[in-house]
Amino acid sequence: DGGITQSPKYLFRKEGQNVTLSCEQNLNHDAMYWYRQDPGQGLRLIYYSQIVNDFQKGDIAEGYSVSREKKESFPLTVTSAQKNPTAFYLCASSGLGQGYSSDTEAFFGQGTRLTVV
Amino acid sequence: KNQVEQSPQSLIILEGKNCTLQCNYTVSPFSNLRWYKQDTGRGPVSLTIMTFSENTKSNGRYTATLDADTKQSSLHITASQLSDSASYICVVSGTGGGNKLTFGTGTQLKVEL
Repeated sequence: DGGITQSPKYLFRKEGQNVTLSCEQNLNHDAMYWYRQDPGQGLRLIYYSQIVNDFQKGDIAEGYSVSREKKESFPLTVTSAQKNPTAFYLCASSGLGQGYSSDTEAFFGQGTRLTVV
Repeated sequence: KNQVEQSPQSLIILEGKNCTLQCNYTVSPFSNLRWYKQDTGRGPVSLTIMTFSENTKSNGRYTATLDADTKQSSLHITASQLSDSASYICVVSGTGGGNKLTFGTGTQLKVEL
């Protein structure tokens, strides 16, 4: 089955720790994205990548880091510099079409709920 | 700044009733608009996509409309079911720049008996 997989589903982090969220896709999509979702707010873009070994900051990149060593994988590290990391994190992937076809549809993973303890 | 605004923020309806959700956007240049359904604790799933040349798109009991001149879209749900309870998110894509998406904050719909 083609799809996008996030793991783990639930993650607990102690103060001062770095944690890494996994995102893998087998849809052959060029673009991958990380979003953060907080109650009552829309999804906010953390980082995105359109090609291997290249990525761009989104609207709320501070305290986060990413890598894109493979087309299929786009892990997100929540560092200790992120002061309020408790949230629901969503990874997505899409093609890089001209916007008029289903190739540009963003497919989402099932999310990772991160809680600071 | 690109923005997508949705209304109402939340909505409660009785099973079997119809409802309409609204989306206004300021994304320019415009490429396409999608409506997603997000169940609690899950990732969003696409319901419909419309480009600037399309006015209406249906997917079962879901019908989306788009007015590219006024930059407004609506999602109409017919004969609601309990399983329609979810957050409905309007997402607008601009042209160029690798399909960067702008998300609305969503409308939380609850369908009750």
